[in-house]
Amino acid sequence: DGGITQSPKYLFRKEGQNVTLSCEQNLNHDAMYWYRQDPGQGLRLIYYSQIVNDFQKGDIAEGYSVSREKKESFPLTVTSAQKNPTAFYLCASSPRQGYHEQYFGPGTRLTVT
Amino acid sequence: AQKVTQAQTEISVVEKEDVTLDCVYETRDTTYYLFWYKQPPSGELVFLIRRNSFDEQNEISGRYSWNFQKSTSSFNFTITASQVVDSAVYFCALMGWGTDKLIFGTGTRLQVFP
Repeated sequence: DGGITQSPKYLFRKEGQNVTLSCEQNLNHDAMYWYRQDPGQGLRLIYYSQIVNDFQKGDIAEGYSVSREKKESFPLTVTSAQKNPTAFYLCASSPRQGYHEQYFGPGTRLTVT
Repeated sequence: AQKVTQAQTEISVVEKEDVTLDCVYETRDTTYYLFWYKQPPSGELVFLIRRNSFDEQNEISGRYSWNFQKSTSSFNFTITASQVVDSAVYFCALMGWGTDKLIFGTGTRLQVFP
């Protein structure tokens, strides 16, 4: 089946550790996105990539890093510099820049203690 | 600045009631796009609809309907004859011209009781 996969569903880390969240899509989409969702809030854009080997900061990029070495994959690293990393992280993809609809993965819930 | 406001934090209804979720947006763009997404308890966002700013026709899809009014900057979502499976958080979102950035509202949690 085509879709977006994020693993794992739940992730626990100690404070001060970097952690990488996986996002893979087999939809042949060009554009990929990372959002953060906090309780009772909407989604906020962290990073996005419209083409392989290129990505742009979103509204809350501080403390995060990404790579886009393959079209199918867009991993997000939450670094120790992120002050409040505990959140629900959602990955999305879109067929191409300007397509408008974004399709979301199941999300990863990260808890840092 | 672009902004989406969903003033209703939580709505509870009994099955078969009709319910309307409100969405008010702000943008200076003359061309923009509005969206509704559903987030069931599993967490994944499900795309429901996209509306272009130059198309003010209302849309109906089964029990779902959307009312877009540029004059009041609103894009409201109505569920007719609600069902328990409609229980979810619903997000309204805005995308400006020439950008891929979705601006989300804070969501409305809908609980449908049997």
